[in-house]
Amino acid sequence: DAKTTQPPSMDCAEGRAANLPCNHSTISGNEYVYWYRQIHSQGPQYIIHGLKNNETNEMASLIITEDRKSSTLILPHATLRDTAVYYCIVGSPISSGSARQLTFGSGTQLTVLP
Amino acid sequence: DVKVTQSSRYLVKRTGEKVFLECVQDMDHENMFWYRQDPGLGLRLIYFSYDVKMKEKGDIPEGYSVSREKKERFSLILESASTNQTSMYLCASKWDRGISPLHFGNGTRLTVT
Repeated sequence: DAKTTQPPSMDCAEGRAANLPCNHSTISGNEYVYWYRQIHSQGPQYIIHGLKNNETNEMASLIITEDRKSSTLILPHATLRDTAVYYCIVGSPISSGSARQLTFGSGTQLTVLP
Repeated sequence: DVKVTQSSRYLVKRTGEKVFLECVQDMDHENMFWYRQDPGLGLRLIYFSYDVKMKEKGDIPEGYSVSREKKERFSLILESASTNQTSMYLCASKWDRGISPLHFGNGTRLTVT
């Protein structure tokens, strides 16, 4: 699976958009980009995923560059409850005999400031 | 919403004890996973299962085994707990082997003394 690179931490003012970048320059053609977040002492929560088109749901938007080597997760109006570690992961469907699924890195600690 | 329930939030066990961590999901997912999470190391895959009675080793299976007797339940077993198995253990499930996302439980923080 491709590796991802994220900044270790970011701050964002409450009510403003939070833009979290992720670099995945070695992504292969069938790998999707997934975003999860983990609030302290809870399990990771799925946010959104995409292949090459931009995606939007009730939580966030995902912008993937045309070459697919990077992406940005956008939380349009950040609240204090969005303070969490955000993980960008790339992965492909499980294939027979594959021992790897989604590989989580260290993520970005987003702190939303009042 | 998918619910993945881990039986204990906190557990303290002694070195050498046999430990069972239980996980149940309520959405008829075929695939279930056990991860451990440690500071600075991210999430590491221990074992996963495609189906009942099926299991495959992840990246760090040593010292662990699993059991999947029913589709909704996936158990992680520490045959003889050691202090280096003190960690946060996370169970997850997903609908298919394709692109569906993982859904996680809230974790079990295990301390081995």
